[in-house]
Amino acid sequence: SQTIHQWPATLVQPVGSPLSLECTVEGTSNPNLYWYRQAAGRGLQLLFYSVGIGQISSEVPQNLSASRPQDRQFILSSKKLLLSDSGFYLCAWSSMGTQYFGPGTRLLVL
Amino acid sequence: SQQGEEDPQALSIQEGENATMNCSYKTSINNLQWYRQNSGRGLVHLILIRSNEREKHSGRLRVTLDTSKKSSSLLITASRAADTASYFCATDGGQGAQKLVFGQGTRLTINP
Repeated sequence: SQTIHQWPATLVQPVGSPLSLECTVEGTSNPNLYWYRQAAGRGLQLLFYSVGIGQISSEVPQNLSASRPQDRQFILSSKKLLLSDSGFYLCAWSSMGTQYFGPGTRLLVL
Repeated sequence: SQQGEEDPQALSIQEGENATMNCSYKTSINNLQWYRQNSGRGLVHLILIRSNEREKHSGRLRVTLDTSKKSSSLLITASRAADTASYFCATDGGQGAQKLVFGQGTRLTINP
């Protein structure tokens, strides 16, 4: 069966520090992969999605970037975090139009 | 702007009652999905209804879709305390399966 992992679960970072969040999927090949951000009590904002290795589509201009170095690995990065980058980050993969989410990473930028 | 908009934003009912949540969207779709999110967790897929379907059931869940009104509803029957969560609708915007657009969600609280 397929599983999706995200780490870390929680992260507290100072403003201006770099960021690297990792997402990996097991049990499937060539999945579509997604990064979302969710503000407290709000819906999901799609940040990036990828249909294959090295293929990244950015949905909104921002301080973040994404990379897909391997088929089942999706990384969210920033060179310098802003206060506004705080939030709950969710990774997902899709099959037949349905998306399956990881447990999320809560990021607090201070 | 958001494709899906849920209504109400928050709903509080007694255990055993039925809960109904609504979703409206703006563009044509291939399908509409409902997801559930427990506090601080990832989303879990509940049910998918295609644009040529009008109603779908899964256990205590019943979803309807009215493409003429661009709206959908999720009914949870005989609610339980464990149903307490946020519920989101998501549409593909008619663009195929690559992207979903999520609404802001309905926060459902079931009181024991």
